[in-house]
Amino acid sequence: DAGVTQSPTHLIKTRGQHVTLRCSPISGHKSVSWYQQVLGQGPQFIFQYYEKEERGRGNFPDRFSARQFPNYSSELNVNALLLGDSALYLCASKQTLYTDTQYFGPGTRLTVL
Amino acid sequence: AQKITQTQPGMFVQEKEAVTLDCTYDTSDPSYGLFWYKQPSSGEMIFLIYQGSYDQQNATEGRYSLNFQKARKSANLVISASQLGDSAMYFCAMREGNYGGSQGNLIFGKGTKLSVKP
Repeated sequence: DAGVTQSPTHLIKTRGQHVTLRCSPISGHKSVSWYQQVLGQGPQFIFQYYEKEERGRGNFPDRFSARQFPNYSSELNVNALLLGDSALYLCASKQTLYTDTQYFGPGTRLTVL
Repeated sequence: AQKITQTQPGMFVQEKEAVTLDCTYDTSDPSYGLFWYKQPSSGEMIFLIYQGSYDQQNATEGRYSLNFQKARKSANLVISASQLGDSAMYFCAMREGNYGGSQGNLIFGKGTKLSVKP
C-alpha cells in the first residue's frame, strides 16, 4: 500500500507570496494533520482535519489555513509568506480521530526568500 | 515548561552495540500516549514504537523497545544491535488527553542525532 504522499517536494517562494501544499493520506485513513518543522526543531502541530472538518488547530496565525476534500486529501495554504515560514511541512494521516499512530509523508521543503 | 525533553543533542554508538535515547515528558493528564519517530536526512518521519499510559508492559517492536517508567515520567528508546542505517534523528513525542482537538495531536521534543560508527 502506498504511504502518505505530498507535493511538491521542494518549493521556493518570495516574501508576500501565497503557497499551497498538498497531501494524500494512506488509503482508508480519514484523518489528516499538518506539522511545521523548522531547522533544528521537532515538528509543531498546525491543523487536524477529520471527515472534512477542522478538529484541531495549533498556535499559528490566520495566514495559515487548510481544508480536506471528500477523498480525504488535504491542502495547506499559507498567505503573505514571511521568511520565518521557511520549513519542512509534514502531513500525517491516521485511520480515525481515535487511532493512536500517525504516519507521516516525506514532507514539502518550503524556502521563502 | 517543555512537555517533551530530550537531553542528548547527539549520540554515538558502535555498530552492533545497544544504545539508549532519553526522553522525559511532562503532563498532568492520566491518559496519554508516547511515541518515537526516526527521521533520516531525507526528512520523512518514520514511526518506530508506541506506549500508552495505561499499558502495563513496555512496548517492543523488533530491535526497538521503550523503557517506560511512569513515576519518573520517562520513556527511553532502546535500540539493540545498532546498524549503520540507524544513523538519523530520533524524536520522542506525546499525545495528551483525549483524541481530537489540539490535544489529539503530537507534541515533539527537539530530537537526538544518532550516529552509528562502523
